[in-house]
Amino acid sequence: EVQLVESGGGLVQPGRSLRLSCAASGFTFNEYGMHWVRQAPGKGLEWVSGIDWNSDNIGYADSVKGRFTISRDNAKNSLYLQMDSLRAEDTAFYYCAKDITRLGNSRMWNYWGQGTLVTVSS
Amino acid sequence: DIQMTQSPSTLSAPVGDRVTITCRASQGISIWLAWYQQKPGKAPKLLIYKASSLQSGVPSRFSGSGSGTEFTLTINSLQPDDFATYYCQQYDSSYPTFGQGTKVEIK
Repeated sequence: EVQLVESGGGLVQPGRSLRLSCAASGFTFNEYGMHWVRQAPGKGLEWVSGIDWNSDNIGYADSVKGRFTISRDNAKNSLYLQMDSLRAEDTAFYYCAKDITRLGNSRMWNYWGQGTLVTVSS
Repeated sequence: DIQMTQSPSTLSAPVGDRVTITCRASQGISIWLAWYQQKPGKAPKLLIYKASSLQSGVPSRFSGSGSGTEFTLTINSLQPDDFATYYCQQYDSSYPTFGQGTKVEIK
């Protein structure tokens, strides 16, 4: 059974940093692209960042480019999102999501974690 | 960026009805469109990909159609479990984008 478990969310002051983690199991992690998608409370979905299976291709939404860094550790079956210079508008549930395509990067997701809430407030 | 526009924003329908949700892309995306269902407090669930391919395990009352810039999600015989918010998502570009969502409510 595929499982994606996010952690690392919490309350943080504007301008500070936070690192999210996503622990994956139930599939061959090093064969799939992984992404972060966020959702502000009561709002719609927004793609944040993605990384392909071998970290060759990485992308970011314009809203987080230069502030967030995605990475993965295939030996630990883990995905990360380093979030720096956080702003109030970054407040959201952050979901880790698995790409549907093996050894590809379709940017469409068939499994999602339960989400971790990041609140940016003073 | 490719903008995705869904209509309606909210839809009220009784159990057993057939409902249709429309999604329009600001430029052609071929068939690179997915539909997700999201219930309150839960993660999105993939229903349809490549505009009309049913994800494994999804009931056959869900169907998708369209190509280019106009797409539809149809739910035949709406069930109590189907009341949720539905999102379309394009994955034609390297910057995936979502529609704003359609909330399906019980009438």
